[in-house]
Amino acid sequence: DQQVKQNSPSLSVQEGRISILNCDYTNSMFDYFLWYKKYPAEGPTFLISISSIKDKNEDGRFTVFLNKSAKHLSLHIVPSQPGDSAVYFCAAISNNAGNMLTFGGGTRLMVKP
Amino acid sequence: DTAVSQTPKYLVTQMGNDKSIKCEQNLGHDTMYWYKQDSKKFLKIMFSYNNKELIINETVPNRFSPKSPDKAHLNLHINSLELGDSAVYFCASSLAGTTKNIQYFGAGTRLSVL
Repeated sequence: DQQVKQNSPSLSVQEGRISILNCDYTNSMFDYFLWYKKYPAEGPTFLISISSIKDKNEDGRFTVFLNKSAKHLSLHIVPSQPGDSAVYFCAAISNNAGNMLTFGGGTRLMVKP
Repeated sequence: DTAVSQTPKYLVTQMGNDKSIKCEQNLGHDTMYWYKQDSKKFLKIMFSYNNKELIINETVPNRFSPKSPDKAHLNLHINSLELGDSAVYFCASSLAGTTKNIQYFGAGTRLSVL
């Protein structure tokens, strides 16, 4: 039973345009959400996070939006750059689960020059 | 200067063997984790461990056991390897009390069981 879902396995965008990656969750106990970026043959690296008490967090070109009522979050990258091409994982933490991350299945982003 | 390092990077072995994967972090973190990324690319938590508490994902077979000689190391031992254990295993670490649970990952160990 997947508690964090990324329904788009891949996304292709043109350089300079906006990339929007989506994530849905089912566990209402999740109270913190993170996005990780992963290049081939490397481990995931932290990108940006958001607490459930907020609806938006911005860091440079990256913005995460959280809609608690819809149990949905999204990552916006603008402008997209070829170096952003990677697999993006959405992850969530439950406040009663020892800070262990529950990951979505990932979305492969390809930014074309 | 690698923050979280895993060895070996690749591990090929026969069914029924016992193997270990080592993980070391030089970040001064107090909590370490093991994740498994299966053939469908899902990353799933296996263990969370600090010097006080081991939390085990209930779906992990007891053939898997973490062993921590000190705070900087969390090794993964796997007994009686099975074909289904083939996957990429990631170690991670974090520091309690900091920005909630930003975990730093190693590069992964690709285990192939033949």
